Amino acid sequence: EAGVVQSPRYKIIEKKQPVAFWCNPISGHNTLYWYRQNLGQGPELLIRYENEEAVDDSQLPKDRFSAERLKGVDSTLKIQPAELGDSAVYLCASSSGTLRGEAFFGQGTRLTVV
Amino acid sequence: QQPVQSPQAVILREGEDAVINCSSSKALYSVHWYRQKHGEAPVFLMILLKGGEQKGHEKISASFNEKKQQSSLYLTASQLSYSGTYFCGTSRGDTDKLIFGTGTRLQVFP
Repeated sequence: EAGVVQSPRYKIIEKKQPVAFWCNPISGHNTLYWYRQNLGQGPELLIRYENEEAVDDSQLPKDRFSAERLKGVDSTLKIQPAELGDSAVYLCASSSGTLRGEAFFGQGTRLTVV
Repeated sequence: QQPVQSPQAVILREGEDAVINCSSSKALYSVHWYRQKHGEAPVFLMILLKGGEQKGHEKISASFNEKKQQSSLYLTASQLSYSGTYFCGTSRGDTDKLIFGTGTRLQVFP
């Protein structure tokens, strides 16, 4: 069974440019998370989806970040415009919809804003 | 709301034991433990649900004290492969979000 797939693995952009990250969760997983992880810190939740509905986006900086999960499967996280402080690893995770089960993480996208 | 982990870092020789703690200021439903190696995604270790259960996974086990809102991860007879950063993730309900702790960096030397 394929795991959580993210692309791209690495992205370098200039500040003020837009950037998008893509995530394909494990088949059948209703819950999808986007986390941001800064160097030496734990993953920080940005947004959580239950199917196609964003049920928790309180930590998402909505002035520049947006996300969507069409048809409750793949998801895209966008930043526009990017700032220097957005440099981090963006992790996508999925789970079966209940926290009795584990969340599976993708490899992440390492974003560098210069 | 972020759980606090202690210690922040641990250095061990192969074969030594370690304990990593995770504390929350809120009542917890579940605690999840993950290990992350440098440049890689977090890898699931185990889940503990409220009820004070203890779980084991080879030489790695964990306990969950619901009343104290704490969980501890026990690593016995550590191996080089145990090196990495350990994170606890906590939730307050079955369908609640998973919030990760501050992390504990573990290094095992020969």
